[in-house]
Amino acid sequence: NAGVTQTPKFQVLKTGQSMTLQCAQDMNHEYMSWYRQDPGMGLRLIHYSVGAGITDQGEVPNGYNVSRSTTEDFPLRLLSAAPSQTSVYFCASSPGTGGTDTQYFGPGTRLTVL
Amino acid sequence: AQSVTQLDSQVPVFEEAPVELRCNYSSSVSVYLFWYVQYPNQGLQLLLKYLSGSTLVKGINGFEAEFNKSQTSFHLRKPSVHISDTAEYFCAVSDTGTYKYIFGTGTRLKVLA
Repeated sequence: NAGVTQTPKFQVLKTGQSMTLQCAQDMNHEYMSWYRQDPGMGLRLIHYSVGAGITDQGEVPNGYNVSRSTTEDFPLRLLSAAPSQTSVYFCASSPGTGGTDTQYFGPGTRLTVL
Repeated sequence: AQSVTQLDSQVPVFEEAPVELRCNYSSSVSVYLFWYVQYPNQGLQLLLKYLSGSTLVKGINGFEAEFNKSQTSFHLRKPSVHISDTAEYFCAVSDTGTYKYIFGTGTRLKVLA
């Protein structure tokens, strides 16, 4: 199993550009989520999904869109990048949706918006 | 809304000394508690979790944590640290019936030779 994979590892964008961060898991997990990690702020939940076709907002959803057309994939879209979105982004998945399961994290994407 | 407080942003400790990393959460009827570790330039991985039962939870790499409901705390301990334990440690909580995991701001543990 590859676990949770994320692409790209690094990305530099200009203000106003759009892009998609890719996330895939091969463990048949129902729950997937996106976090951003900023110094001194820990991990903050952006969006999450409890299954294909179902998504919901986390703490900091503004400026980001998600969709979940398959169990395996959960892409994160930045519609119009802003410098405030410079961060490290982590995707995670877990087997169940009841809040008791271990989350498995990808290696992260380091995004810089100029 | 649920919240998690990690009081120490950085903890320096000498090799083979004991360490305690503190975590407090806001009160809730029923919560699940987690500690994750992040090594440099990597994603997070689970150290241990408390779901129910015994309040002392043992995890990987010799770490353990104690759930204290009256003090709403879930402190992480290790009796003797190694250089390889240098990493950032995150406490997290989830509520029964919600799908959201809330993370603390992290504690950077630096083990000194």
